[in-house]
Amino acid sequence: GESVGLHLPTLSVQEGDNSIINCAYSNSASDYFIWYKQESGKGPQFIIDIRSNMDKRQGQRVTVLLNKTVKHLSLQIAATQPGDSAVYFCAERGSQGNLIFGKGTKLSVKP
Amino acid sequence: NAGVTQTPKFQVLKTGQSMTLQCAQDMNHEYMSWYRQDPGMGLRLIHYSVGAGITDQGEVPNGYNVSRSTTEDFPLRLLSAAPSQTSVYFCASSYEAGRTEAFFGQGTRLTVV
Repeated sequence: GESVGLHLPTLSVQEGDNSIINCAYSNSASDYFIWYKQESGKGPQFIIDIRSNMDKRQGQRVTVLLNKTVKHLSLQIAATQPGDSAVYFCAERGSQGNLIFGKGTKLSVKP
Repeated sequence: NAGVTQTPKFQVLKTGQSMTLQCAQDMNHEYMSWYRQDPGMGLRLIHYSVGAGITDQGEVPNGYNVSRSTTEDFPLRLLSAAPSQTSVYFCASSYEAGRTEAFFGQGTRLTVV
């Protein structure tokens, strides 16, 4: 079946360091992946997406890497800032046009 | 643009009561969906709609109804609230189902006592 999971439930990094959040998916036919950031009391906010015909996509301070061989997705945040503290979700496209979410990784940034 | 607007933000219901969670978007998106978010469970799809007049069930549809009479609005109805429906509910819309990012509302925190 379709599922999306995360390797680590929590991640603590020092301000200014780079953060890497990992995600595994099970459906090898998945063709669209997306990362969301969710701050406390708010709805998920789009960060970056990637399609299966790409291995890497960069945004402002963020990079998503897709390894289809091992069905692995990662989000890299450069020069992590206190404002990056949140829960991060990866998601893949489901068969109903929906997004199938992982359980999330909580990122804490230490000043 | 306001994006996706959900009301109310908080609600407490007694078991057996019914209510409607409102969701409206002003981006002219055809695809809209409702998710519930429980601790440790991520977001799970309740119902979705690919356009006005068309709705379908998601992963956890029991106890909920939806309708889509206009492109803009996608209300979620709880028929007879149960404590198991205590959750945070998010409405989302997207331009192209599952191929472009979904925009989420701010959520409705529902407690059923």
